[in-house]
Amino acid sequence: EPEVTQTPSHQVTQMGQEVILRCVPISNHLYFYWYRQILGQKVEFLVSFYNNEISEKSEIFDDQFSVERPDGSNFTLKIRSTKLEDSAMYFCASSATRSPGNEQFFGPGTRLTVL
Amino acid sequence: AQRVTQPEKLLSVFKGAPVELKCNYSYSGSPELFWYVQYSRQRLQLLLRHISRESIKGFTADLNKGETSFHLKKPFAQEEDSAMYYCASQGGSEKLVFGKGTKLTVNP
Repeated sequence: EPEVTQTPSHQVTQMGQEVILRCVPISNHLYFYWYRQILGQKVEFLVSFYNNEISEKSEIFDDQFSVERPDGSNFTLKIRSTKLEDSAMYFCASSATRSPGNEQFFGPGTRLTVL
Repeated sequence: AQRVTQPEKLLSVFKGAPVELKCNYSYSGSPELFWYVQYSRQRLQLLLRHISRESIKGFTADLNKGETSFHLKKPFAQEEDSAMYYCASQGGSEKLVFGKGTKLTVNP
C-alpha cells in the first residue's frame, strides 16, 4: 500500500540555521499538508498546498517558513532561521481530494531538535 | 475558531471491558469529524470518520450535535487497541484541528 515518506527521521540543528524537511506524498495525491506537534501538545496545522500554491496557512506559518514542490514527487518545508521553539515533530500529509471528510494520509514525521 | 477537546489524557481498561474515549468539539457550523490512531512507533492513521458512518476494528463513534460530542466507543477492548487516539474536526477548509489525544492502555 502506498505511503507518505519523510526524511530525515531526526534532524538536529543549531539555532539560526536553515533546515529543509522533505516529504514524498502518495503519487496520485494532489493536496499536501504540513502539521507539527510540539512535545506534549496538540498536532497543529501549518499549511496546505495545491497546484503549486499555498491554499491555507496558520498563524504559526510566518515568513520564516516556506513550502515548495521542487519536482513531481517531493514536497518540502523550509525553516529559514530556526528558533528553539521550532523544536517539534513535523508531519507531512497528502490527500487525493479536498472534499469534506477527505482522508489525509500522514507520514511518519521528522523530529526536529533546535539547540 | 474550531476547537477539539479530549478531556482524558490517559485511559486504562482491562481486556474485554467497554471503552469510551471522549471528544467534544466547538465550531459554528457543521464540521466533519474524525478519529485518528497512532500505535506505538507508527504513523497517525485514520480510524474512522463521521461522514462514512463505518465501524472499524469494532470501534464506532456517534455524532451528538446537541452535546457537540463525537465519542469513540468499543464494547470489548483488546490489548492491540492500546494506542494514542486523536479526535479531529474539519470545518470550512481542509485543515484538521486536533485534540490533545488520549493514551489508551488495555491491560491483560
